[in-house]
Amino acid sequence: GENVEQHPSTLSVQEGDSAVIKCTYSDSASNYFPWYKQELGKGPQLIIDIRSNVGEKKDQRIAVTLNKTAKHFSLHITETQPEDSAVYFCAASIQRALNFGKGTSLLVTP
Amino acid sequence: DADVTQTPRNRITKTGKRIMLECSQTKGHDRMYWYRQDPGLGLRLIYYSFDVKDINKGEISDGYSVSRQAQAKFSLSLESAIPNQTALYFCATSETGARDGYTFGSGTRLTVV
Repeated sequence: GENVEQHPSTLSVQEGDSAVIKCTYSDSASNYFPWYKQELGKGPQLIIDIRSNVGEKKDQRIAVTLNKTAKHFSLHITETQPEDSAVYFCAASIQRALNFGKGTSLLVTP
Repeated sequence: DADVTQTPRNRITKTGKRIMLECSQTKGHDRMYWYRQDPGLGLRLIYYSFDVKDINKGEISDGYSVSRQAQAKFSLSLESAIPNQTALYFCATSETGARDGYTFGSGTRLTVV
């Protein structure tokens, strides 16, 4: 089945700096790549997604890039703020359901 | 009210007991999923359902069963709970399956002692 690798597992940045989280996937048939943010005590929430016919997508301080040839995609957060601190999950579609990476715990320090 | 409601929010149960986790949704979505979250392991798919008559096993279905009572309700059962089923369980819904984003519930924290 689809294997989604996510790195790093933990990331600490200073407020205002950028954060990058990277994922790779194994199934070349995957065509949908969402990113989720999970705050403490809550369920994951979709923050941005990209489909295989697009190379990059941006929403304010958040952007996602996709390289289909290399089978990897990345989440970029610019001008980080303390409220960006959370666990972030990437995912890739596997036929009828999503397969998730193991998560990145992001800490933004003031 | 939340779009996806999970009950209970927390549960402690004993080894060997049967327990049911419930999920209901007001999104009107046909597709529902159960995932398990463990520290360092991310979210792993247990079961998913595309309609009342369509139930499918995920990657870690052993020891679990599900029931899709209606479009809006999808329950997960542990027939005989064991300690390594201690985890955070999430229900999710989607409109078109693996081609759009999921809406997750707030989770059920289950502890098996």
